[in-house]
Amino acid sequence: SQQGEEDPQALSIQEGENATMNCSYKTSINNLQWYRQNSGRGLVHLILIRSNEREKHSGRLRVTLDTSKKSSSLLITASRAADTASYFCATGVHDMRFGAGTRLTVKP
Amino acid sequence: EAGVAQSPRYKIIEKRQSVAFWCNPISGHATLYWYQQILGQGPKLLIQFQNNGVVDDSQLPKDRFSAERLKGVDSTLKIQPAKLEDSAVYLCASSLGLAGGQGLETQYFGPGTRLLVL
Repeated sequence: SQQGEEDPQALSIQEGENATMNCSYKTSINNLQWYRQNSGRGLVHLILIRSNEREKHSGRLRVTLDTSKKSSSLLITASRAADTASYFCATGVHDMRFGAGTRLTVKP
Repeated sequence: EAGVAQSPRYKIIEKRQSVAFWCNPISGHATLYWYQQILGQGPKLLIQFQNNGVVDDSQLPKDRFSAERLKGVDSTLKIQPAKLEDSAVYLCASSLGLAGGQGLETQYFGPGTRLLVL
């Protein structure tokens, strides 16, 4: 399996604004997952999108997948200070590979 | 439901010393993973177990790292001897490990063990 690469590396926004993070990958995938990591903590699974899906929603999260461009985006709407964390995309079957992540800072 | 447990949470050792980390996965989870996360980077898979068998250890530095999951439940990861570049957070994760899951399983992560090698 090959890893996803997140973009941008860092993002700083005001509370209430939307945050968009992107992920690119290189080969065919079965699914793509997004995880969040708060400072000093383990990763928490956010959402999984299958290769035959184009968009998925979960609360304030919206994930899109474009397999023709080999890219995915994670949108967090109406951001909160508690959303401050690093966000990772991961591809692969069981042997997931993670990118370096996007560090999101939401200022109150 | 109890989450993935790891201990210790923090460890400071000198280079060339040995260290061991312990992980207890979520009850009933057949698959267990160890990741190394260096500061500023994403997690890197070191080894993956399915029950007590190794599925993937291609990125495990086998000259100094070893891991076992003897009874298919708890797992230990050992570094012997440690180097400065081993300073990182070591994350354990588990998943149900359903046969034919097609990679649609969520991995549940523990809080990690932060290792500092001086």
